This record gives sequence, C-alpha cells and structure tokens, in this order.
Amino acid sequence: AQSVAQPEDQVNVAEGNPLTVKCTYSVSGNPYLFWYVQYPNRGLQFLLKYITGDNLVKGSYGFEAEFNKSQTSFHLKKPSALVSDSALYFCAVRDVGDMRFGAGTRLTVKP
Amino acid sequence: NAGVTQTPKFQVLKTGQSMTLQCAQDMNHNSMYWYRQDPGMGLRLIYYSASEGTTDKGEVPNGYNVSRLNKREFSLRLESAAPSQTSVYFCASRQRQTSYNEQFFGPGTRLTVL
Repeated sequence: AQSVAQPEDQVNVAEGNPLTVKCTYSVSGNPYLFWYVQYPNRGLQFLLKYITGDNLVKGSYGFEAEFNKSQTSFHLKKPSALVSDSALYFCAVRDVGDMRFGAGTRLTVKP
Repeated sequence: NAGVTQTPKFQVLKTGQSMTLQCAQDMNHNSMYWYRQDPGMGLRLIYYSASEGTTDKGEVPNGYNVSRLNKREFSLRLESAAPSQTSVYFCASRQRQTSYNEQFFGPGTRLTVL
C-alpha cells in the first residue's frame, strides 16, 4: 500500500524566514501527492498537488512543493513565513480507493 | 455554496449509547468519505462511498456503519459507543473516486465518549 511519512512532529521558524515541512513517500507506481493545511478547529484545506510534469508545484497562500523522485520526497516550502501560516500540515498520497495521510507536522511561526 | 457540512459540531455520549453523524455536500460530488483524526495519527479512513449506492470499508471500520442516503448525504452511525471512539470525525467529498482531484473536508464533529 502507498504511504507517506512526515519525519517532524513540530517545525518552528521565525516570521520572514523560509520554511520547509518534510514529507517522504512510498508508492508502487506513479505517485500522486497532496498537501493539506488544518487551522485550529477547522477541517483540512487543500494546498497543492503533484500528479505529473513539473517537479516544482505552486499552490495556495504562496506555498510550493518540490517533488524529488530519487529521494522519494515531496517537501512543502514557502520563501517567507507568516505568523498566520501557523497550523497543522498534512502530506497525503492517493491510494487505491482513497488518500493515505501522514501524521501531520505542526508549524509554528514566531513574530 | 456551503461545500461540505457536518452536524453536530460537538457531542458527548455515554458508553453504549448510539448516534448518527450527518454529512452533506452541495458540489455534486460522486465520492464521499468518513475519517477520524486522533493526535499523532493523522487521518484514518473509516468508510467511503465511491458513488451513490455503494459503500466500502476503510482502514478502521469496526464499530461503525454508514449509509449513503443519496448523492448529497453520507451518514456515519455508532451503534454502541465506546471510549476508544472519542475522536474528531471529518467527512470529505471528491468529484470521482478514480480522479486525482483533491478532497474537500467538512468542519468536523468532536465526539467524546465517557
């Protein structure tokens, strides 16, 4: 079965600094990868996805993700973090029938 | 266009009680899903419905039943609640099961079983 791993439970960055939230995947076949964000007491919101093509995917709120096939990674990035980016971030992979989600990474951006 | 709606937002049950969580979507999506979210475990799929009239088990179906009432509505039932079912429950929908479109999520139901 497909799976994703998010190796960091927590990421802390200062406002204005670049941020990276890591995700690695394990799939048989072509990977279809997604990033979602969850703000407190809310459902998940879609940020971006990689299906095929360009390895750098741009998404909502200035986020982007880099697909790296050799390293089986799909890291989420943003050049300049905002305090309002503080949230829980989930990486997901499309499996037969549904999505498989990582455990989540809590991003805290400090002023 | 409300997207995916869920009721109730909060619920407290005693062990052994039953309840139904309601979910509806107004995006004309074919596929609908029920997940539970527990700390450190991400989201785990309970049941899904690829299309109206079909339902299938996900990763953690034990203790739950579902009904795809029509294309819009997908309910989750706990027949005899247990403390292990204390969780946040999310409903989601997607255009089609076989597509690579993203899922859209409801706001969640926070359930506590005492």
